[in-house]
Amino acid sequence: GAGVSQSPRYKVAKRGQDVALRCDPISGHVSLFWYQQALGQGPEFLTYFQNEAQLDKSGLPSDRFFAERPEGSVSTLKIQRTQQEDSAVYLCASSLAVHSPLHFGNGTRLTVT
Amino acid sequence: RKEVEQDPGPFNVPEGATVAFNCTYSNSASQSFFWYRQDCRKEPKLLMSVYSSGNEDGRFTAQLNRASQYISLLIRDSKLSDSATYLCVVNNGGTSYGKLTFGQGTILTVHP
Repeated sequence: GAGVSQSPRYKVAKRGQDVALRCDPISGHVSLFWYQQALGQGPEFLTYFQNEAQLDKSGLPSDRFFAERPEGSVSTLKIQRTQQEDSAVYLCASSLAVHSPLHFGNGTRLTVT
Repeated sequence: RKEVEQDPGPFNVPEGATVAFNCTYSNSASQSFFWYRQDCRKEPKLLMSVYSSGNEDGRFTAQLNRASQYISLLIRDSKLSDSATYLCVVNNGGTSYGKLTFGQGTILTVHP
Protein backbone atom coordinates (compact mmCIF):
# COMPACT_ATOMS: atom_id res chain seq x y z
CA GLY A 1 0.00 0.00 0.00
CA ALA A 2 0.98 3.63 -0.28
CA GLY A 3 0.51 4.60 3.36
CA VAL A 4 2.50 4.23 6.57
CA SER A 5 2.27 0.66 7.77
CA GLN A 6 2.63 -0.42 11.39
CA SER A 7 2.78 -3.88 12.90
CA PRO A 8 1.52 -5.54 14.90
CA ARG A 9 -1.87 -3.86 15.01
CA TYR A 10 -2.44 -5.11 18.55
CA LYS A 11 0.02 -6.38 21.14
CA VAL A 12 -0.68 -7.78 24.58
CA ALA A 13 2.37 -8.15 26.81
CA LYS A 14 2.80 -9.35 30.35
CA ARG A 15 4.46 -6.87 32.66
CA GLY A 16 8.21 -7.24 32.39
CA GLN A 17 8.25 -8.52 28.80
CA ASP A 18 10.09 -6.76 26.00
CA VAL A 19 8.18 -5.66 22.89
CA ALA A 20 9.18 -4.42 19.44
CA LEU A 21 6.91 -2.30 17.29
CA ARG A 22 7.58 -1.84 13.59
CA CYS A 23 6.95 1.08 11.26
CA ASP A 24 7.23 1.07 7.48
CA PRO A 25 7.08 4.69 6.33
CA ILE A 26 5.98 5.87 2.92
CA SER A 27 8.76 5.16 0.43
CA GLY A 28 11.14 8.10 0.08
CA HIS A 29 9.98 9.88 3.22
CA VAL A 30 12.95 11.38 5.01
CA SER A 31 11.38 12.25 8.35
CA LEU A 32 9.93 9.69 10.74
CA PHE A 33 8.27 10.34 14.08
CA TRP A 34 7.01 8.11 16.89
CA TYR A 35 4.16 9.30 19.09
CA GLN A 36 2.45 7.75 22.12
CA GLN A 37 -1.29 8.25 22.59
CA ALA A 38 -2.86 7.35 25.92
CA LEU A 39 -6.60 6.84 26.16
CA GLY A 40 -8.47 10.14 25.99
CA GLN A 41 -5.34 12.16 25.24
CA GLY A 42 -3.72 13.62 22.16
CA PRO A 43 -0.59 12.02 20.72
CA GLU A 44 2.64 12.89 22.55
CA PHE A 45 5.99 13.08 20.79
CA LEU A 46 8.51 10.37 21.55
CA THR A 47 11.33 10.60 19.01
CA TYR A 48 12.30 11.81 15.53
CA PHE A 49 14.55 10.51 12.76
CA GLN A 50 15.85 12.25 9.71
CA ASN A 51 16.93 9.40 7.47
CA GLU A 52 18.90 7.10 9.80
CA ALA A 53 19.87 9.82 12.27
CA GLN A 54 17.90 10.06 15.48
CA LEU A 55 17.85 13.83 15.94
CA ASP A 56 15.59 14.05 18.95
CA LYS A 57 14.68 11.48 21.57
CA SER A 58 13.61 13.93 24.22
CA GLY A 59 10.09 12.49 24.43
CA LEU A 60 11.11 8.93 25.30
CA PRO A 61 9.71 8.45 28.83
CA SER A 62 12.53 6.31 30.20
CA ASP A 63 15.65 4.42 29.22
CA ARG A 64 13.43 1.36 28.71
CA PHE A 65 12.37 2.92 25.42
CA PHE A 66 14.68 2.66 22.43
CA ALA A 67 14.11 3.43 18.75
CA GLU A 68 16.19 2.80 15.67
CA ARG A 69 16.06 3.32 11.92
CA PRO A 70 19.32 1.77 10.76
CA GLU A 71 18.89 2.13 7.00
CA GLY A 72 16.80 5.26 6.97
CA SER A 73 13.60 3.43 6.09
CA VAL A 74 11.91 0.94 8.46
CA SER A 75 11.95 1.92 12.11
CA THR A 76 11.53 -0.14 15.26
CA LEU A 77 10.44 1.11 18.67
CA LYS A 78 11.51 -1.25 21.44
CA ILE A 79 10.20 -1.17 24.98
CA GLN A 80 12.06 -3.23 27.55
CA ARG A 81 10.56 -4.58 30.77
CA THR A 82 7.10 -3.24 29.94
CA GLN A 83 5.03 -1.62 32.69
CA GLN A 84 1.29 -1.06 32.88
CA GLU A 85 1.73 2.65 32.27
CA ASP A 86 3.21 1.80 28.85
CA SER A 87 -0.27 0.73 27.68
CA ALA A 88 -1.16 3.11 24.86
CA VAL A 89 -1.42 3.39 21.11
CA TYR A 90 1.97 3.94 19.49
CA LEU A 91 1.69 5.97 16.30
CA CYS A 92 4.33 6.30 13.62
CA ALA A 93 4.27 9.16 11.13
CA SER A 94 6.44 10.04 8.16
CA SER A 95 6.87 13.07 5.96
CA LEU A 96 8.62 13.74 2.70
CA ALA A 97 10.76 16.53 4.13
CA VAL A 98 11.11 18.68 7.22
CA HIS A 99 7.91 20.72 7.69
CA SER A 100 5.97 18.67 5.12
CA PRO A 101 2.59 17.30 6.28
CA LEU A 102 2.77 14.20 8.46
CA HIS A 103 1.16 10.95 7.35
CA PHE A 104 0.26 8.69 10.25
CA GLY A 105 0.06 4.93 10.37
CA ASN A 106 -2.93 3.34 12.08
CA GLY A 107 -0.89 2.59 15.18
CA THR A 108 -0.07 -0.34 17.42
CA ARG A 109 -2.31 -0.72 20.46
CA LEU A 110 -0.16 -2.06 23.31
CA THR A 111 -1.81 -3.48 26.39
CA VAL A 112 0.42 -4.47 29.31
CA THR A 113 -1.24 -6.84 31.78
CA ARG B 1 0.21 23.71 32.14
CA LYS B 2 -0.04 21.87 28.80
CA GLU B 3 1.51 23.53 25.78
CA VAL B 4 -1.72 23.18 23.77
CA GLU B 5 -5.05 23.29 25.63
CA GLN B 6 -8.49 22.38 24.35
CA ASP B 7 -11.89 21.87 25.91
CA PRO B 8 -12.29 18.07 25.70
CA GLY B 9 -16.07 18.35 25.36
CA PRO B 10 -17.97 16.27 24.44
CA PHE B 11 -20.00 18.48 22.16
CA ASN B 12 -23.32 16.90 21.17
CA VAL B 13 -25.08 18.78 18.38
CA PRO B 14 -27.93 18.04 15.97
CA GLU B 15 -27.36 17.73 12.26
CA GLY B 16 -27.27 21.13 10.61
CA ALA B 17 -25.95 22.93 13.67
CA THR B 18 -22.95 25.23 13.73
CA VAL B 19 -20.30 24.35 16.28
CA ALA B 20 -17.06 26.07 17.28
CA PHE B 21 -13.97 24.69 19.00
CA ASN B 22 -11.24 26.74 20.60
CA CYS B 23 -7.67 26.08 21.53
CA THR B 24 -4.88 28.05 23.21
CA TYR B 25 -1.13 27.53 22.96
CA SER B 26 1.57 28.68 25.32
CA ASN B 27 4.67 28.97 23.12
CA SER B 28 4.66 32.41 21.51
CA ALA B 29 7.37 31.23 19.10
CA SER B 30 5.06 28.62 17.55
CA GLN B 31 5.16 28.92 13.80
CA SER B 32 2.45 26.83 12.22
CA PHE B 33 -0.91 25.56 13.28
CA PHE B 34 -3.27 22.82 12.24
CA TRP B 35 -6.49 21.04 12.98
CA TYR B 36 -6.36 17.25 12.74
CA ARG B 37 -9.35 14.94 12.84
CA GLN B 38 -9.23 11.54 14.52
CA ASP B 39 -11.99 8.96 14.17
CA CYS B 40 -12.46 6.36 16.88
CA ARG B 41 -9.57 3.85 16.87
CA LYS B 42 -8.07 5.45 13.76
CA GLU B 43 -5.00 7.56 13.12
CA PRO B 44 -5.07 11.38 13.12
CA LYS B 45 -5.55 12.95 9.71
CA LEU B 46 -4.86 16.52 8.69
CA LEU B 47 -8.09 18.49 8.39
CA MET B 48 -6.66 21.89 7.59
CA SER B 49 -3.83 24.30 8.25
CA VAL B 50 -4.59 27.53 10.10
CA TYR B 51 -3.38 30.94 8.93
CA SER B 52 -3.47 34.35 10.54
CA SER B 53 -5.69 35.64 7.75
CA GLY B 54 -8.20 32.89 8.46
CA ASN B 55 -9.02 30.18 5.98
CA GLU B 56 -12.04 28.27 4.84
CA ASP B 57 -12.49 24.82 3.34
CA GLY B 58 -16.11 24.15 2.51
CA ARG B 59 -18.06 24.03 5.77
CA PHE B 60 -14.91 24.43 7.87
CA THR B 61 -13.35 27.76 8.87
CA ALA B 62 -10.17 28.10 10.89
CA GLN B 63 -8.85 31.23 12.56
CA LEU B 64 -5.60 32.11 14.30
CA ASN B 65 -5.06 35.00 16.69
CA ARG B 66 -1.32 35.23 17.35
CA ALA B 67 -1.65 38.07 19.86
CA SER B 68 -3.95 35.99 22.06
CA GLN B 69 -2.31 32.66 21.11
CA TYR B 70 -5.71 31.31 20.24
CA ILE B 71 -6.91 29.03 17.44
CA SER B 72 -10.48 28.24 16.47
CA LEU B 73 -12.37 25.87 14.21
CA LEU B 74 -15.94 26.52 13.06
CA ILE B 75 -18.04 23.79 11.46
CA ARG B 76 -21.22 24.90 9.71
CA ASP B 77 -24.16 22.68 8.74
CA SER B 78 -22.84 19.72 10.76
CA LYS B 79 -23.14 16.26 9.22
CA LEU B 80 -23.33 12.90 11.01
CA SER B 81 -19.97 12.11 9.40
CA ASP B 82 -18.36 15.05 11.23
CA SER B 83 -18.53 13.03 14.47
CA ALA B 84 -14.90 12.60 15.53
CA THR B 85 -12.22 14.01 17.84
CA TYR B 86 -10.71 17.28 16.66
CA LEU B 87 -7.10 17.85 17.62
CA CYS B 88 -5.52 21.29 17.78
CA VAL B 89 -1.88 21.02 16.70
CA VAL B 90 1.08 23.37 16.86
CA ASN B 91 4.48 23.23 15.17
CA ASN B 92 7.20 25.21 16.92
CA GLY B 93 9.39 25.21 13.83
CA GLY B 94 13.05 26.17 13.91
CA THR B 95 15.16 23.45 15.43
CA SER B 96 12.13 21.34 16.19
CA TYR B 97 12.08 20.28 12.50
CA GLY B 98 8.37 19.84 12.18
CA LYS B 99 7.70 18.18 15.52
CA LEU B 100 3.98 18.56 16.22
CA THR B 101 2.50 19.21 19.64
CA PHE B 102 -1.09 18.03 20.01
CA GLY B 103 -3.86 19.17 22.27
CA GLN B 104 -5.98 16.66 24.16
CA GLY B 105 -8.68 16.76 21.48
CA THR B 106 -12.33 17.84 21.49
CA ILE B 107 -14.95 15.15 20.99
CA LEU B 108 -17.81 16.02 18.65
CA THR B 109 -20.94 13.91 18.25
CA VAL B 110 -23.48 14.96 15.63
CA HIS B 111 -26.88 13.29 16.11
CA PRO B 112 -29.88 13.03 13.78
